[in-house]
Formats: sequence, structure tokens, C-alpha cells
Amino acid sequence: AQSVTQLDSQVPVFEEAPVELRCNYSSSVSVYLFWYVQYPNQGLQLLLKYLSGSTLVKGINGFEAEFNKSQTSFHLRKPSVHISDTAEYFCAVTVPFWGGGYNKLIFGAGTRLAVHP
Amino acid sequence: DGGITQSPKYLFRKEGQNVTLSCEQNLNHDAMYWYRQDPGQGLRLIYYSQIVNDFQKGDIAEGYSVSREKKESFPLTVTSAQKNPTAFYLCASSIRADDGNTIYFGEGSWLTVV
Repeated sequence: AQSVTQLDSQVPVFEEAPVELRCNYSSSVSVYLFWYVQYPNQGLQLLLKYLSGSTLVKGINGFEAEFNKSQTSFHLRKPSVHISDTAEYFCAVTVPFWGGGYNKLIFGAGTRLAVHP
Repeated sequence: DGGITQSPKYLFRKEGQNVTLSCEQNLNHDAMYWYRQDPGQGLRLIYYSQIVNDFQKGDIAEGYSVSREKKESFPLTVTSAQKNPTAFYLCASSIRADDGNTIYFGEGSWLTVV
């Protein structure tokens, strides 16, 4: 079975500093990986996703993530954060089903990013 | 604008009552989903539907029911059998239920049972 571990439940950082949110997954087969962001009392918005190809994925709002198959990781990074980046971030994995499966996302517990002035 | 509309945003109900959460999408997506979110636990799948008149149980379906009579609508009923219904509920949709398709989420509904 697949699982996702977000290694930090909370990450405090100062504005304009770089940040890395860590995500590790467990799977015996190839996976698709996603990062979502959730602002308070709102739904989730897709930041970026890795399906195949280049292991460095660029997303919205200046975020990027790198897929590392050997370390089973998909860490999210931003070189300079803003106050507006304060939110909860979820890493998710889905296993490709061939021929009629469904897009079941397995989510990590989330990382709360708090950007301070 | 296209999107997913959930209503109501906040709902209070007494223990033992059934409640229905509405979810409507105008994205012309075939697949729809219901997730439950509890603090510190991420999201868990309750039910999903790949096509009209068909739906499947997710990981935590007990105490919940759904219907998919129209492509754009996927209401969730939280029954009195659900032992701990207080949570944030998220409806979502994707073009299809195939792998890798982006899942889009609604704004969520807060259900509090007292």
C-alpha cells in the first residue's frame, strides 16, 4: 500500500527566506505525486504535480519540487517566501491504474507554513 | 466562472439527525469525490463517482451515503450512523477518474454536530 509522510507538521520562516517542505512516500510501484495548498477555511488548490519526465517540476506562485526516486522524496521549495504563502501544504500520491482504475489520492497529514515579517 | 460549489459553508445539526451537503460543478467533469478533513490527519476519501448513476465507497464510507443522478451534482448525506461526523468536508472533481488528472476542490463545508 502507498503512504505519504510529511516530515514537518509546522515550518516557521521569515519573509523573503527560502523554504523547503519535506515529503516522503512509500510505494513498491511507480507513482504520481502532487502538492496542494490550502488557505484557511478554503478548499485545496493544486501547486504542481509530477507524472513523468523531468524530475524538477515548477508550479504556481514560484514553487518547485524535485522528484527523487532513489530517496522516495518529493520536497517542495521556494527561494523567497511572502506573507501570503502562509497556508497548509499537502503532499499527495496516486498510483497509476491501467485500464479503468480511479484517481485515488493519498494525502499526507499536511505542513503548516507560517511566514513571519 | 467554472468551478465547484459546496453548500452550506457552515452547518450545525443535533446528534441523531441526517444532514445533506450539496456539491455542484459546472466544469463538465465526469468524476466527483467527497473527502473528509480532520485536523492533523490530511484528507480521507469517503465516496467517489466516475460517471452518472455509479459511485464507489472510499476508505471511510461507513455512516455516509451519496447519489449521482446528474453529472454536475454529487450530494453527500451524513447519517446518524456516522459516529463522529463533526469535520470539514470537501467535494472535488476531475475530468475523468484516470491517473494523473488534476483533482479540483470546492471551498468545503464545516459540519458541527452538537
